[in-house]
Amino acid sequence: AQSVTQLDSHVSVSEGTPVLLRCNYSSSYSPSLFWYVQHPNKGLQLLLKYTSAATLVKGINGFEAEFKKSETSFHLTKPSAHMSDAAEYFCVVSDGTGTYKYIFGTGTRLKVLA
Amino acid sequence: DGGITQSPKYLFRKEGQNVTLSCEQNLNHDAMYWYRQDPGQGLRLIYYSQIVNDFQKGDIAEGYSVSREKKESFPLTVTSAQKNPTAFYLCASGDRASYGYTFGSGTRLTVV
Repeated sequence: AQSVTQLDSHVSVSEGTPVLLRCNYSSSYSPSLFWYVQHPNKGLQLLLKYTSAATLVKGINGFEAEFKKSETSFHLTKPSAHMSDAAEYFCVVSDGTGTYKYIFGTGTRLKVLA
Repeated sequence: DGGITQSPKYLFRKEGQNVTLSCEQNLNHDAMYWYRQDPGQGLRLIYYSQIVNDFQKGDIAEGYSVSREKKESFPLTVTSAQKNPTAFYLCASGDRASYGYTFGSGTRLTVV
């Protein structure tokens, strides 16, 4: 069965420093992987997606993620954090049944310090 | 602009009442989903529908019901059988071409 684990429930960084949000997945086939961002009391917005094309995926707002099959990881990074990046981030994997269903991680709350 | 509209944004329910959350999309997506979000638990799937007049239970369907009479609409009813309905509810839609979901802005339901 497919699953996704977000390794940190909370991450704090200073403004202008790099961001790293970690995600490991488990899948018996080549998965589709996504990162979503959620600001307080809002819906989720798609940051980026991996669907078996290039392993380094660039998303919106300067975020990118690298698919590493050997490490079963899909970590989200950004070179320089901005105050507006403070939010909750979800790593998501497709469930492999062809039903467009996806499995969500439990989320990482990113705090950006001035 | 295409998107998903959830209403109302805030909803209050008295004990023993049924309430219905609205979800409408104009993205022409085949599939629609309802998720429940509680602090620290991520998103849990309640129901999903891949085609009109058909829907399936997700992981936490007890106490909820849905209908899919139109492609654009997928309302969720929280019944009195749901013992702990206070949560943030998110509706999403998707299809094979788009990969991933488009989410609505959510409805926060509180039992009073």
